[in-house]
Amino acid sequence: QQQVKQSPQSLIVQKGGISIINCAYENTAFDYFPWYQQFPGKGPALLIAIRPDVSEKKEGRFTISFNKSAKQFSLHIMDSQPGDSATYFCAARRKTSGSARQLTFGSGTQLTVLP
Amino acid sequence: ETGVTQSPTHLIKTRGQQVTLRCSSQSGHNTVSWYQQALGQGPQFIFQYYREEENGRGNFPPRFSGLQFPNYSSELNVNALELDDSALYLCASVDPRDSTDTQYFGPGTRLTVL
Repeated sequence: QQQVKQSPQSLIVQKGGISIINCAYENTAFDYFPWYQQFPGKGPALLIAIRPDVSEKKEGRFTISFNKSAKQFSLHIMDSQPGDSATYFCAARRKTSGSARQLTFGSGTQLTVLP
Repeated sequence: ETGVTQSPTHLIKTRGQQVTLRCSSQSGHNTVSWYQQALGQGPQFIFQYYREEENGRGNFPPRFSGLQFPNYSSELNVNALELDDSALYLCASVDPRDSTDTQYFGPGTRLTVL
């Protein structure tokens, strides 16, 4: 019930195309859903996040779509650029019994944008 | 801009040894979490510290322990190292003024256990 399932494992997109990464969860205690971008040798960096009472959030070329009833959410990268090539992680946050805010991460998607 | 720093960058230890990793969170960030990221996987929550007390723990054995200091910097200690402890260890801090409790990650410490 703690898992967040992410797909695809890898994704290759042409420059200018749309990249779509999907995630699904089971635990209804999750209350916040961030996406992180990670470059080799770096820590994850927050890209965009959404709360479950919102169905869509857009920031620049990045959009999160959230389907609460299906317990699914996805990241869309419009006009994908070679600089977007990185590993993307979806995550879900819940409050632990000790009041900590715990993030559960998906397994990651390696995105390659071809020039 | 996260401002979270970690040291050392890389570390090589042998099985059975002990290791201490350090994290300096951004000024004013009073909550620090530690995550373990194995190669090719997403980070896994180890524990979180708030005002020098552990207030949450993931599925990690007691040989993983931590400290948070009055200046909110933190340490992760791992005793009796095992080969499977080889991973990138990430520290993340939270700005208490941020209503979303967003976690900002440092660059990590790459631990190799031989």
